[in-house]
Amino acid sequence: AQKVTQAQTEISVVEKEDVTLDCVYETRDTTYYLFWYKQPPSGELVFLIRRNSFDEQNEISGRYSWNFQKSTSSFNFTITASQVVDSAVYFCALSEAPNDYKLSFGAGTTVTVRA
Amino acid sequence: DTEVTQTPKHLVMGMTNKKSLKCEQHMGHRAMYWYKQKAKKPPELMFVYSYEKLSINESVPSRFSPECPNSSLLNLHLHALQPEDSALYLCASSQDEGQLDSYEQYFGPGTRLTVT
Repeated sequence: AQKVTQAQTEISVVEKEDVTLDCVYETRDTTYYLFWYKQPPSGELVFLIRRNSFDEQNEISGRYSWNFQKSTSSFNFTITASQVVDSAVYFCALSEAPNDYKLSFGAGTTVTVRA
Repeated sequence: DTEVTQTPKHLVMGMTNKKSLKCEQHMGHRAMYWYKQKAKKPPELMFVYSYEKLSINESVPSRFSPECPNSSLLNLHLHALQPEDSALYLCASSQDEGQLDSYEQYFGPGTRLTVT
């Protein structure tokens, strides 16, 4: 069964528009960890954020913000005032226990920002 | 310094060749990973080393052979590969401190492998 669902396959926006990427997860564990990674065309996965299940605080880092809602099992990611350099594939991932090495990745959302 | 390096960046090999992929990190991480990623798909875990010992093998064919010579280095030895093994091979590392937490993995730039 799919543990992480990223329903949006591709999103295309014009520069300076905001874009929100949806991530819905499924787990029976009470302790779990959520991650977002960015993969630009060069191929390297870049770590963006880690959130544990006990910390529902939303977070903002520059133009990036994350909205974690346990009630809806969602961990959404918003890019504000998008730039061409934000063009990439974004993956949401779930780890289901402390020191669990396995990351369950979503299928990824391809974001294209047009100048 | 959150850097994981991988060599080579690109590799083309025939089905009878033997080659190796190399990965290095100097972040003091004690867990290291190999992933395989096909185009337009998420990464798939292949192997995990924890404290230089193989911890997870995700039923990977024996033509892929991992090796962890020390805590900073991870190799993937390739032999008799098939064309369907062509993919991006990613190395990653993370902290590994028992049952305290689940740490983010830091990825290298990958090796694009083509098997002809």
